[in-house]
Amino acid sequence: QVQLQESGPGLLKPSQTLSLTCTVSGASISSGDFYWTWIRQPPGKGLEWIGYIFYSGTTYYNPSLKSRITLSLDTSKNQFFLNLRSVTAADTAVYYCARGITTYFDFWGQGTLVPVSS
Amino acid sequence: QSALTQPASVSGSPGQSITISCTGTNRDVGAYKFVSWYQHHPGKAPKLIIFDVSKRPSGVSNRFSGSKSGNTASLTISGLQAEDEADYYCSSYTSSSPYWVFGGGTTLTVL
Repeated sequence: QVQLQESGPGLLKPSQTLSLTCTVSGASISSGDFYWTWIRQPPGKGLEWIGYIFYSGTTYYNPSLKSRITLSLDTSKNQFFLNLRSVTAADTAVYYCARGITTYFDFWGQGTLVPVSS
Repeated sequence: QSALTQPASVSGSPGQSITISCTGTNRDVGAYKFVSWYQHHPGKAPKLIIFDVSKRPSGVSNRFSGSKSGNTASLTISGLQAEDEADYYCSSYTSSSPYWVFGGGTTLTVL
């Protein structure tokens, strides 16, 4: 069974960098059939697609976040990563990693809450 | 405000059927057969229940069905069970960035 698990820092202060790791088991992120995705949900709001990365390292970002985010991956560890710079309170959210295939996301992690507060 | 519009809540009694709508535009829901639905029990990983408007992944109950008409997609759950109580989100591919958009979510209460 494919499983994804997010891990990250917990509480952040404004202007810091959010760094999250998604560890994948039951599937290889080196597979060209999938794309590895980050999605977030601010408290009381809907889901927002952040971006995704292919095994080749090709990335696609949400334009609203593009100037502040970097996605990367480590195939040797079967992990992919999200870096979000210069966070503000508006970046407070539950962050999910997910596996994308063609036009949908077939497996998700449980999500990790990242509060941003001074 | 989410790109796709869903009702905030719906409710039904065990055994009944309910339908959750998901309204977008002619750039997303209306343009593509790429609507998916996710079931989310708080604290757990969201689960794919419908993809490409009406297809069910292996292992998902046939009580879940999806459809689309124009710019509105719908998820129907028949024979409601207590375990169906969860949040439901729709998603669609869109021709304009950011490529995937989601609804705000609908909380289903089984009375």
